[in-house]
Amino acid sequence: EAQVTQNPRYLITVTGKKLTVTCSQNMNHEYMSWYRQDPGLGLRQIYYSMNVEVTDKGDVPEGYKVSRKEKRNFPLILESPSPNQTSLYFCASSLDRAEVDNYGYTFGSGTRLTVV
Amino acid sequence: RKEVEQDPGPFNVPEGATVAFNCTYSNSASQSFFWYRQDCRKEPKLLMSVYSSGNEDGRFTAQLNRASQYISLLIRDSKLSDSATYLCVVRSYGGSQGNLIFGKGTKLSVKP
Repeated sequence: EAQVTQNPRYLITVTGKKLTVTCSQNMNHEYMSWYRQDPGLGLRQIYYSMNVEVTDKGDVPEGYKVSRKEKRNFPLILESPSPNQTSLYFCASSLDRAEVDNYGYTFGSGTRLTVV
Repeated sequence: RKEVEQDPGPFNVPEGATVAFNCTYSNSASQSFFWYRQDCRKEPKLLMSVYSSGNEDGRFTAQLNRASQYISLLIRDSKLSDSATYLCVVRSYGGSQGNLIFGKGTKLSVKP
């Protein structure tokens, strides 16, 4: 089944403890992206990647890192999480730029992160 | 002005009703437009892309007015299963190559 898989689905952590949220897609997609969703703010892009080793900042990149060493994986790294990073995170992917233009992204099921 | 603005809702309608959602966008260079559906605590899913000539998919009709920078979604004969949040989404060029700009969403609740 074609899908975008995120792990974990739920995570509670403490301030300052490094964590990684994994994202994997099995569709050979070039484009991958991370969004966070907060009440009253909607979905905002954190980082995106157009292909292996090509990443760039989105609208709210502060406090996050990403890497794209393999096409299928796009992990989101929080080096020193803070309470304002408590949010619902979505990974998304698309075949290429044309598919983003015409159909947008396919989203993973989300990771609900709480930083205390 | 926010990039994508939607009716805040919530819209509470009876089954069988026709309901319309509106959305405006601020970037006149925007090229692609979508409506996504998001169920509570779930991921957004593409409902339909919006084309300049307008398009229909079953009970759903989307319209785009580039001159007014306005997008609409019409749902006819509402079903209980249509209850969800509807997100207006715009793809703009000139900024992030892979970015979609999301509206905050309009919540629809269809009642028996």
